[in-house]
Amino acid sequence: DAGITQSPRHKVTETGTPVTLRCHQTENHRYMYWYRQDPGHGLRLIHYSYGVKDTDKGEVSDGYSVSRSKTEDFLLTLESATSSQTSVYFCAISDGGGDEQFFGPGTRLTVL
Amino acid sequence: AQKVTQAQTEISVVEKEDVTLDCVYETRDTTYYLFWYKQPPSGELVFLIRRNSFDEQNEISGRYSWNFQKSTSSFNFTITASQVVDSAVYFCALSFHAGGTSYGKLTFGQGTILTVHP
Repeated sequence: DAGITQSPRHKVTETGTPVTLRCHQTENHRYMYWYRQDPGHGLRLIHYSYGVKDTDKGEVSDGYSVSRSKTEDFLLTLESATSSQTSVYFCAISDGGGDEQFFGPGTRLTVL
Repeated sequence: AQKVTQAQTEISVVEKEDVTLDCVYETRDTTYYLFWYKQPPSGELVFLIRRNSFDEQNEISGRYSWNFQKSTSSFNFTITASQVVDSAVYFCALSFHAGGTSYGKLTFGQGTILTVHP
């Protein structure tokens, strides 16, 4: 299994508070991704990174920011959480742009 | 824009039946990649297969087989002799390769919930 961890695994927070989710990999893969999974929508890309300090927006990036200061870590920040951001968040990594992606275990976030 | 459609929201079968999960995609790119992932009740996402747009050969892996047809923009997944352990949500996904660059951004279908009854 690819070495990907996500922290925290579960989080309950209140509307308006900042939240940071962490994705950590031990595979030295270049590409990292953040997706959210919601019923009826499958998984949707939030942000991705193609190298240290190289990031770009995905399909549903509003309300989210990311940072990647080291190859192994990719942080997702909700500056001011809203109830619509209640979701399961998955991090993924891949070695090449067209290669298969390996997913972390997911973080279940509830915004009250 | 890329789009992946999995028209079957839920499928229910009895063990040992064969089942086919449909996936239809839309893309204007000539180079692209198709994937299938499995999400068992435990919630993790498990990679099953990757196929590039230039390789239309069908693939078989044990009880699993995949049928890729560019003419109909479909990449269907068949499980032969289904088992209870096959119960999961299955996702089809697409990434494209534009202008010599592929960042691997996946577009997922909505998923098909497969339930295999004993």
